[in-house]
Amino acid sequence: DQQVKQNSPSLSVQEGRISILNCDYTNSMFDYFLWYKKYPAEGPTFLISISSIKDKNEDGRFTVFLNKSAKHLSLHIVPSQPGDSAVYFCAASGGTSYGKLTFGQGTILTVHP
Amino acid sequence: DTAVSQTPKYLVTQMGNDKSIKCEQNLGHDTMYWYKQDSKKFLKIMFSYNNKELIINETVPNRFSPKSPDKAHLNLHINSLELGDSAVYFCASSQDVLNTGELFFGEGSRLTVL
Repeated sequence: DQQVKQNSPSLSVQEGRISILNCDYTNSMFDYFLWYKKYPAEGPTFLISISSIKDKNEDGRFTVFLNKSAKHLSLHIVPSQPGDSAVYFCAASGGTSYGKLTFGQGTILTVHP
Repeated sequence: DTAVSQTPKYLVTQMGNDKSIKCEQNLGHDTMYWYKQDSKKFLKIMFSYNNKELIINETVPNRFSPKSPDKAHLNLHINSLELGDSAVYFCASSQDVLNTGELFFGEGSRLTVL
């Protein structure tokens, strides 16, 4: 039973345009959400997070939106750059999942020059 | 200077063998983890240790035995390897028991069981 899902295995975007990566969760007890970025042969690295008391958090080109009623979050990257090409993982924690992160299966983002 | 390092990066072995993966962090963090990335690409927690004490054991077969000699090290020993153990294993650390959720990951160890 996967509590965090990223239903788009891949996304292709032109350089300079917006990339939107989506994530859905089922556990209403989750109260903290994160995005990680992973390059090949490297471990995931933290990108941005959001607490359930907020609906938006922005850091430079990266913005995460949280819609609690829909149990949905999204990561917006504007403008997209070729160096953003990587696998993006959504993760969540909270409730009985305190002390651990539950990850989605990742979305491969390719940004074309 | 690598923050979380794990060795080996690649491991190919036969079914039934015993193998270990080592992990060290130089971030001064109190909590360390092992995650497994399976063929479906999900990253799933296996264990977490806080100051050398086991705090999460996520229904992992007892063929998997983590050992934390000190808070900077968390090793994973696997007995009687099976085909289904083939995966990428990631070590990670955090400042404390995931209050902010930020984990620092190692590069991963790809285990292939033949």
